Amino acid sequence: NAGVTQTPKFQVLKTGQSMTLQCAQDMNHEYMSWYRQDPGMGLRLIHYSVGAGITDQGEVPNGYNVSRSTTEDFPLRLLSAAPSQTSVYFCASSYIGTGDITYGYTFGSGTRLTVV
Amino acid sequence: GEDVEQSLFLSVREGDSSVINCTYTDSSSTYLYWYKQEPGAGLQLLTYIFSNMDMKQDQRLTVLLNKKDKHLSLRIADTQTGDSAIYFCAERSDSGAGSYQLTFGKGTKLSVIP
Repeated sequence: NAGVTQTPKFQVLKTGQSMTLQCAQDMNHEYMSWYRQDPGMGLRLIHYSVGAGITDQGEVPNGYNVSRSTTEDFPLRLLSAAPSQTSVYFCASSYIGTGDITYGYTFGSGTRLTVV
Repeated sequence: GEDVEQSLFLSVREGDSSVINCTYTDSSSTYLYWYKQEPGAGLQLLTYIFSNMDMKQDQRLTVLLNKKDKHLSLRIADTQTGDSAIYFCAERSDSGAGSYQLTFGKGTKLSVIP
């Protein structure tokens, strides 16, 4: 099915561990982004990318790395997990500019991460 | 910078109409969106409105846009228990060629009482 696929759906990490959250889309969207969602805080942008080889920081980038080697994939790496990174993480993608922007973003179903 | 404000909670009785409000600050907004997030799920696009429109209707959903006051509302007629969810308002500003960033509100949690 076309859309944004996130894996894993759930993850428990110990403080200091590293891991990669995967995100893949099959809609040939140029734009991809990572958000975290915390109660009462809404969605906060972590990192985003406007195409392969191009990434930039969002509102809350510290403790996270991203890369975009292909149009389809945009993994999010936690370098050394901390309890403050306990959250639900969403990947989203979109066309850019003259593409069909009326649909806004397509979101993945999320990864629920707990750091103990 | 851009800011999008929503009230955090709304409670309505089943069968009544729900009205979720949103205000935004960016006068160059082009598209405004409403997303729905059901428990444990991602955000799904409900509807959108272009900034040169005043109203858009789609079955039980009515979107009203007051561009002068930068106010957007989503009305759900005959609210059902399946409408219980968090509703996010989002705006896309015209930042030139390749505009792509959406600014989201914090979301309004709609609770429908049977």
